[in-house]
Amino acid sequence: NAGVTQTPKFRILKIGQSMTLQCTQDMNHNYMYWYRQDPGMGLKLIYYSVGAGITDKGEVPNGYNVSRSTTEDFPLRLELAAPSQTSVYFCASSVRDNSYNEQFFGPGTRLTVL
Amino acid sequence: QQQVKQSPQSLIVQKGGISIINCAYENTAFDYFPWYQQFPGKGPALLIAIRPDVSEKKEGRFTISFNKSAKQFSLHIMDSQPGDSATYFCAASMNDYKLSFGAGTTVTVRA
Repeated sequence: NAGVTQTPKFRILKIGQSMTLQCTQDMNHNYMYWYRQDPGMGLKLIYYSVGAGITDKGEVPNGYNVSRSTTEDFPLRLELAAPSQTSVYFCASSVRDNSYNEQFFGPGTRLTVL
Repeated sequence: QQQVKQSPQSLIVQKGGISIINCAYENTAFDYFPWYQQFPGKGPALLIAIRPDVSEKKEGRFTISFNKSAKQFSLHIMDSQPGDSATYFCAASMNDYKLSFGAGTTVTVRA
């Protein structure tokens, strides 16, 4: 199992450009999440999905969009990139069972908007 | 607005010492409190978690203490080792999957 994979690892964007951050998991998890991590701020939930075709906003959704057409993939779209979107982005997945709902994180994408 | 407040921001401990990280929350509907560990350049990974029906949970050298009346919980790292040097995040949720994270504590263990 590769777990949660994210591409690209690094990206530099110019203001106003758009891009898609890719996330794939091979654990057949129904829950998937996108977080952003800024220094001293912890992780903030951007969007999440409880299954294919179902997505919902988290704490900081403005400027982002997501889709979930399959169980495995959960891409994050940035439209009209702004310097405030400079951050490290993490995708995670989990499965609801009778024990703790452990979230498995990908390695992250470091995005810089100049 | 940070729903979970974490302190200290950083700490340095000698090898073999005890590291203590504290978290406080306001939302009494929270019923799941995990701690995640993150090494530089990596994603966070679940370290240990607790539910409010117990006051303490121990896994190896890591212990969570939970005080429901004070709405506080803490992570204790006993016999700290250089390999424990990492950033630790507390979190809380009311439905198991939507986590609110603290700001993180960077722990440095000096050999």
